Amino acid sequence: GESVGLHLPTLSVQEGDNSIINCAYSNSASDYFIWYKQESGKGPQFIIDIRSNMDKRQGQRVTVLLNKTVKHLSLQIAATQPGDSAVYFCAENMGLPGTALIFGKGTTLSVSS
Amino acid sequence: DSGVTQTPKHLITATGQRVTLRCSPRSGDLSVYWYQQSLDQGLQFLIQYYNGEERAKGNILERFSAQQFPDLHSELNLSSLELGDSALYFCASSDSGSLYIQYFGAGTRLSVL
Repeated sequence: GESVGLHLPTLSVQEGDNSIINCAYSNSASDYFIWYKQESGKGPQFIIDIRSNMDKRQGQRVTVLLNKTVKHLSLQIAATQPGDSAVYFCAENMGLPGTALIFGKGTTLSVSS
Repeated sequence: DSGVTQTPKHLITATGQRVTLRCSPRSGDLSVYWYQQSLDQGLQFLIQYYNGEERAKGNILERFSAQQFPDLHSELNLSSLELGDSALYFCASSDSGSLYIQYFGAGTRLSVL
């Protein structure tokens, strides 16, 4: 079936490094993608989003890249900090606004100082 | 703090029992979504309500039901509980201005013994 998935279940980096978390999706009709961060014991927290008519969007220390040709998106975190340690999920919206999100299984980012 | 409130934070019960999880969306948000998060399945969409009416159903078991009340809070009812229902249950809400972005509560951890 159609789903959003992540390439790596875990990623370990050193403080100050740049982190890249990848996600593949299978439905070329998906038109909206979101990255969420989930810290231990908390709910998913919105980080950044991107629409299918864009290929790059930047936030504070984060950048999302969308490659529709290969159905791939990535989350880049600059100067990774220990507070960035969490599970990161990509999610896609395959329908109209206000419809459910389909989540990938997540990548656990561990940042060591 | 996302503004979405879920109670209780933890729930321990026995197989065969029935429980009710409660969610208060962000002020003004009309859409409420319920998700289940288990270790092996990731975040799975269960059901969505919009302004009191059911909008979409996902992988929700027949033993589970939900409703949204006139004050927009929502309840998820889980009955005839089984060991496999142990999971984190998240509620999310979204507003009409940004219907794609869903804001999540801290979740209810359900343990069925």
